[in-house]
Amino acid sequence: TQLLEQSPQFLSIQEGENLTVYCNSSSVFSSLQWYRQEPGEGPVLLVTVVTGGEVKKLKRLTFQFGDARKDSSLHITAAQPGDTGLYLCAGGRSGNTPLVFGKGTRLSVIA
Amino acid sequence: DAEITQSPRHKITETGRQVTLACHQTWNHNNMFWYRQDLGHGLRLIHYSYGVHDTNKGEVSDGYSVSRSNTEDLPLTLESAASSQTSVYFCASSAGAGMNTEAFFGQGTRLTVV
Repeated sequence: TQLLEQSPQFLSIQEGENLTVYCNSSSVFSSLQWYRQEPGEGPVLLVTVVTGGEVKKLKRLTFQFGDARKDSSLHITAAQPGDTGLYLCAGGRSGNTPLVFGKGTRLSVIA
Repeated sequence: DAEITQSPRHKITETGRQVTLACHQTWNHNNMFWYRQDLGHGLRLIHYSYGVHDTNKGEVSDGYSVSRSNTEDLPLTLESAASSQTSVYFCASSAGAGMNTEAFFGQGTRLTVV
């Protein structure tokens, strides 16, 4: 059973379009992280959200943690080819337990 | 600058051979993790360690082992390589384990078992 479900799995859009990707769970998480992974590289942290309802902005990227801390979304405004990559969400739980990763959303932004 | 490095970047081995993948970090992090990444499965945890001489099994630990003799290194050993272990392997380290801690990943090792 996958603890974190990400949707869509694949997304191909034109440069300048907006998009939202989702990370959902039936479990409550203490924190939610978003990573971006480029081909041939390891994932790199974009943001961590820890409070239910929290919204964080990173330039054109907006991250939201659901009120119940079971889901999160990533919204990209005016996507650019440089946004292309695999977006992974990871849930942190209380105690000393490893992060749980979703399967990721593979985004392709076409110029 | 602190970093985490994996070696080799690419490896081809034969079924049944023992293979060791290296992971070295200079962050001085206590926590280190090994994942494998496969299409359709995402990142799956193999083994992890919270400090020297500590090792723990992840969700897909069968056929793999790790040992932690110092803070910097967590080598991953495939005891008898199988074709099902063809994958991209990532090592990561963090100052903590669960909430609010950033995981720093290596660049990955692409392993092919023929």
